[in-house]
Amino acid sequence: KAGVTQTPRYLIKTRGQQVTLSCSPISGHRSVSWYQQTPGQGLQFLFEYFSETQRNKGNFPGRFSGRQFSNSRSEMNVSTLELGDSALYLCASSLQGVAYNEQFFGPGTRLTVL
Amino acid sequence: QQPVQSPQAVILREGEDAVINCSSSKALYSVHWYRQKHGEAPVFLMILLKGGEQKGHEKISASFNEKKQQSSLYLTASQLSYSGTYFCGTALDGAGGTSYGKLTFGQGTILTVHP
Repeated sequence: KAGVTQTPRYLIKTRGQQVTLSCSPISGHRSVSWYQQTPGQGLQFLFEYFSETQRNKGNFPGRFSGRQFSNSRSEMNVSTLELGDSALYLCASSLQGVAYNEQFFGPGTRLTVL
Repeated sequence: QQPVQSPQAVILREGEDAVINCSSSKALYSVHWYRQKHGEAPVFLMILLKGGEQKGHEKISASFNEKKQQSSLYLTASQLSYSGTYFCGTALDGAGGTSYGKLTFGQGTILTVHP
């Protein structure tokens, strides 16, 4: 069974630009969650999508948005990038709900904002 | 509300035991444990749900005290491969015994095992 894949693996952008990250979950998994990981803040929950609907959202500004397609693939978009958005962005998939199922994490996208 | 993990770091020799704790000030639906090695993605270890159900790897041992909203991860007879950062993630208990469905992770505990 193929694991969770994320593209691209590395990105360098400048302040003010926007970026789109992609995540393909494990086949059959309907839940996709996104996390931001930084040395200072640790692993922070961004949002969860289930069957194309955003089911949960973390405490991030509206510049962070996402969507999920009918094949469960998900994208995350960050507009008007700031230096503080530099981080490792991880997506994780699970069968059903995040609260009672294990999550499988992808390798992440390392975003650097200059 | 971010759960609090303790200790922040542990150094062990192979074969020694360790306990990592995770506590929350809110009522929890579930506690999750993950391990992340440097440069890699977090890997699932265990889920502990209110009511006593547990799901996870056979060699991993953990407990969940629902009265105190505390969980502990027990690492026994440690091996070099146990090194990494351990995260607990918590899902809050919602109305009707369901969950609000988002995981909040603690700051992590760095475990180093030496030969």
